[in-house]
Amino acid sequence: AQSVTQPDIHITVSEGASLELRCNYSYGATPYLFWYVQSPGQGLQLLLKYFSGDTLVQGIKGFEAEFKRSQSSFNLRKPSVHWSDAAEYFCASGYFGNEKLTFGTGTRLTIIP
Amino acid sequence: DVKVTQSSRYLVKRTGEKVFLECVQDMDHENMFWYRQDPGLGLRLIYFSYDVKMKEKGDIPEGYSVSREKKERFSLILESASTNQTSMYLCATTAGPYNEQFFGPGTRLTVL
Repeated sequence: AQSVTQPDIHITVSEGASLELRCNYSYGATPYLFWYVQSPGQGLQLLLKYFSGDTLVQGIKGFEAEFKRSQSSFNLRKPSVHWSDAAEYFCASGYFGNEKLTFGTGTRLTIIP
Repeated sequence: DVKVTQSSRYLVKRTGEKVFLECVQDMDHENMFWYRQDPGLGLRLIYFSYDVKMKEKGDIPEGYSVSREKKERFSLILESASTNQTSMYLCATTAGPYNEQFFGPGTRLTVL
């Protein structure tokens, strides 16, 4: 069975600092990987996705993520965070032919001035 | 843009009541999903539907049922609400074969 692990429950970062959120997946073949963001009281919005090809993917709001097969990881990065990035972030995985996704438990990001 | 709407943002019900949560999508997508979201547990799949009148249990179907009579509409039903069903409920729909899901704004249900 697939699993997705987000080891950091809560991260606090200063505004303007860099950010990396960790995600590890467990699946034999190459999965499809996603990062979603959820602002308070809102549904989830897709930040970026990886299906195949270039292992560094660019998303919206200045985010990027890198797929590393050897580490089974898909970490999310941003070079300089803004106060508006405070939210909860979810990593998810799926695989071809299966419409269901497996979600991690989420990482809550707090931004301090 | 895909639009996924949910019938209520906030709902308060009493224990034992029958509760209907409705989700509507406007993009003719085949697949629709109901999740519940709880702190520390992430999103857990309750049910999913891959076509009209077709459904499949997710990871936590107990206490829930679903209905999909029209392609654009997917309803989640709590036959007899209990306090442990107090949660955020999210509906999602799949755009196509690559499993990207689009989410509604969520319904925060409180069962007293």
